[in-house]
Amino acid sequence: DTGVSQDPRHKITKRGQNVTFRCDPISEHNRLYWYRQTLGQGPEFLTYFQNEAQLEKSRLLSDRFSAERPKGSFSTLEIQRTEQGDSAMYLCASSPGTGGGYTFGSGTRLTVV
Amino acid sequence: QQQVKQSPQSLIVQKGGISIINCAYENTAFDYFPWYQQFPGKGPALLIAIRPDVSEKKEGRFTISFNKSAKQFSLHIMDSQPGDSATYFCAASTRGSTLGRLYFGRGTQLTVWP
Repeated sequence: DTGVSQDPRHKITKRGQNVTFRCDPISEHNRLYWYRQTLGQGPEFLTYFQNEAQLEKSRLLSDRFSAERPKGSFSTLEIQRTEQGDSAMYLCASSPGTGGGYTFGSGTRLTVV
Repeated sequence: QQQVKQSPQSLIVQKGGISIINCAYENTAFDYFPWYQQFPGKGPALLIAIRPDVSEKKEGRFTISFNKSAKQFSLHIMDSQPGDSATYFCAASTRGSTLGRLYFGRGTQLTVWP
């Protein structure tokens, strides 16, 4: 296993369009996290799954955002009706158990024009 | 509000020098304090972490110092090298919980001059 994989690496979209990102975690990790990082800031928590259950969502995750992990393996993050303020790096991470020790993917950079 | 406050925002150090980055927190429920290193275009990578029952942890050239009473912790990079030039983030979580979400500082951009 080569780590956490995210696809695509870059996405440019027009305002108002929908976008979907995919994350493939390390196979034996049951926890999967989505974070958002804007320029010059630390990653901000969006949501978290344990297996297929979504256990926590940040207030940052508006109703335009939805995340799924249908079989407890890969996860998708969809943003509907994108806005310019959604432009950011979207990071996925996975971990094997309680607490930290995350492994992050390289992220998907979203640019909304 | 920012749960973890990090300083300085940027740091320039000469090769061979010591780089020191500081973080402070308020939430006494935090019990896991990792540091992450991030290179441009990459995700953060775990560098070193500490739990509050230990005052210092060293791994190679990287040392975390932890002051529980002051609610502060710091990263020391000894013998800094140009390859250490990156952005460093401190973070904190309540590791004992089932959640494990991390609260990150805003980052320190370290530049090591050759």
